[in-house]
Amino acid sequence: DTEVTQTPKHLVMGMTNKKSLKCEQHMGHRAMYWYKQKAKKPPELMFVYSYEKLSINESVPSRFSPECPNSSLLNLHLHALQPEDSALYLCASRPQLRGDYNEQFFGPGTRLTVL
Amino acid sequence: AQSVAQPEDQVNVAEGNPLTVKCTYSVSGNPYLFWYVQYPNRGLQFLLKYITGDNLVKGSYGFEAEFNKSQTSFHLKKPSALVSDSALYFCAAHSGAGSYQLTFGKGTKLSVIP
Repeated sequence: DTEVTQTPKHLVMGMTNKKSLKCEQHMGHRAMYWYKQKAKKPPELMFVYSYEKLSINESVPSRFSPECPNSSLLNLHLHALQPEDSALYLCASRPQLRGDYNEQFFGPGTRLTVL
Repeated sequence: AQSVAQPEDQVNVAEGNPLTVKCTYSVSGNPYLFWYVQYPNRGLQFLLKYITGDNLVKGSYGFEAEFNKSQTSFHLKKPSALVSDSALYFCAAHSGAGSYQLTFGKGTKLSVIP
């Protein structure tokens, strides 16, 4: 299994809602990433987990809360989002955080719309 | 600080013609370079990478890229473009084994005209 899966594919939420995005991989990768991507722009790094511990937080607002319950699963909990948070949210994984030259494997993304 | 530049926002090419998507980089240490492709409303798909060795790297779907250290470039090429190659292409770089972050170029939209 060489893919990263993300659910849901699409999500529409109001500014007072709480929702979660899910990412899963079964490649044994120990580094997992969340990115935010606006239309026709490159992905922007949000969070990086290494061995299920948060390693990098790129100054993301607290309304985004990541969680890595096990080595295969990565969640992004959303609360009180703003319309400008509407974007494609991408998950990626890599064998290790540092010290290897492997590419990141990306999931198909969740298209989030905040009303 | 490292950076990746893709000087063209858009590249148009006729089907069957050769295509080139340009990328230049600025990294400290040995660069590790990647090309990804993104189709509309999809994630990024890995095409190819340069780590070390042969300057000409072959990848998926008939794409190849040439690493040029003196010009700090890593241009993506394909001998004969297909309409299905139309997509958004990103060049990206790691700055070495200690680097965790992938630095992306801004992306180049490739349109292959039938």
